[in-house]
Amino acid sequence: EDQVTQSPEALRLQEGESSSLNCSYTVSGLRGLFWYRQDPGKGPEFLFTLYSAGEEKEKERLKATLTKKESFLHITAPKPEDSATYLCAVQHNDYKLSFGAGTTVTVRA
Amino acid sequence: NAGVTQTPKFQVLKTGQSMTLQCAQDMNHNSMYWYRQDPGMGLRLIYYSASEGTTDKGEVPNGYNVSRLNKREFSLRLESAAPSQTSVYFCASSGRAYEQYFGPGTRLTVT
Repeated sequence: EDQVTQSPEALRLQEGESSSLNCSYTVSGLRGLFWYRQDPGKGPEFLFTLYSAGEEKEKERLKATLTKKESFLHITAPKPEDSATYLCAVQHNDYKLSFGAGTTVTVRA
Repeated sequence: NAGVTQTPKFQVLKTGQSMTLQCAQDMNHNSMYWYRQDPGMGLRLIYYSASEGTTDKGEVPNGYNVSRLNKREFSLRLESAAPSQTSVYFCASSGRAYEQYFGPGTRLTVT
């Protein structure tokens, strides 16, 4: 059965304290791995798509990387506005995405 | 562009009542999806429509029906609401790149 596991469940950071979130997956025929940001009371907002091992994508203070079994979302020098829940999802053989439960990041000023 | 819109934003139902959640997208996407999100469980796919005229079950379809009204609109119906259907419901759409774009959600409480 396809599984997506995110760790840690929650992460509290001081402003400027860099860290990484993990998304591990077991899926056959990976077509893409997606990262989303979700603010409280809102829908998920698309951040990145990664297609193959070794690929990296960056956006402002966020950098996503992909290996054959996991993806990392690195947050460099975070600011309070980076506080959100970060979701990863994998796409396998068809249109469907399987989502992890998310990592809630809180950045204190 | 509004992206993906959903109505209503909030709804309270009594057990056994029915309702339809509406979703529309203006990105000319072929595929549309309905998810529910519950604490600690992540997003779970209820139904999806790969293209206009087709619908398929997702992970948790029991108790729901869907209609792909046209390319823009995809509705979700609860025929007889149950407390277990208390959740936040999200509609999403995707184009050729498969990345999904989500609406703002409908917060449903069934008492």
